[in-house]
Amino acid sequence: ETGVTQSPTHLIKTRGQQVTLRCSSQSGHNTVSWYQQALGQGPQFIFQYYREEENGRGNFPPRFSGLQFPNYSSELNVNALELDDSALYLCASSLASGGLSTGELFFGEGSRLTVL
Amino acid sequence: GEDVEQSLFLSVREGDSSVINCTYTDSSSTYLYWYKQEPGAGLQLLTYIFSNMDMKQDQRLTVLLNKKDKHLSLRIADTQTGDSAIYFCAEINQAGTALIFGKGTTLSVSS
Repeated sequence: ETGVTQSPTHLIKTRGQQVTLRCSSQSGHNTVSWYQQALGQGPQFIFQYYREEENGRGNFPPRFSGLQFPNYSSELNVNALELDDSALYLCASSLASGGLSTGELFFGEGSRLTVL
Repeated sequence: GEDVEQSLFLSVREGDSSVINCTYTDSSSTYLYWYKQEPGAGLQLLTYIFSNMDMKQDQRLTVLLNKKDKHLSLRIADTQTGDSAIYFCAEINQAGTALIFGKGTTLSVSS
């Protein structure tokens, strides 16, 4: 167990709705990243937060947004949900000065989103 | 651009060795990783190797890195049925902020 916790574990939404996913990072980790894993694919980087600021973003549209709080926990928000947003959303934390220089990234169990 | 390629399936018998291969594109990657994902679960970090190393051994796991060919492999000795899972190879992106994953290799272990 990594100490990274995510909620909810499963949820179902309909097209056009909005969703918020939550993540608590491992104790002492100040960097949180979010990944999207579609069925049968590897995880794809959405964005990273370090000290409450976005510190890198993958190829995802602006309707994917996030927040990091002073206790380093984080939220992923997705607006105007589309069918292709159905995926496992993974949160990962690391102890790094905004990057992965320490070499270790720890993942939570994920939130499985189904969009109907 | 950055890309990671893996073969999709590997089937072995219990007790045999498994070798999972991966190629990557970014020669400046400082770290390369192997993650394991069991059905319905998140990603578990198995091991990682720093780019100035050729080999890293950790119990039943051996990672080999060939920087010239941009080839990474994971060898699992004495493979057990509990090793059945999807194995992902990953490299760090150029900005050092994210991992680029392959599509994963599904390892099936039969008894």
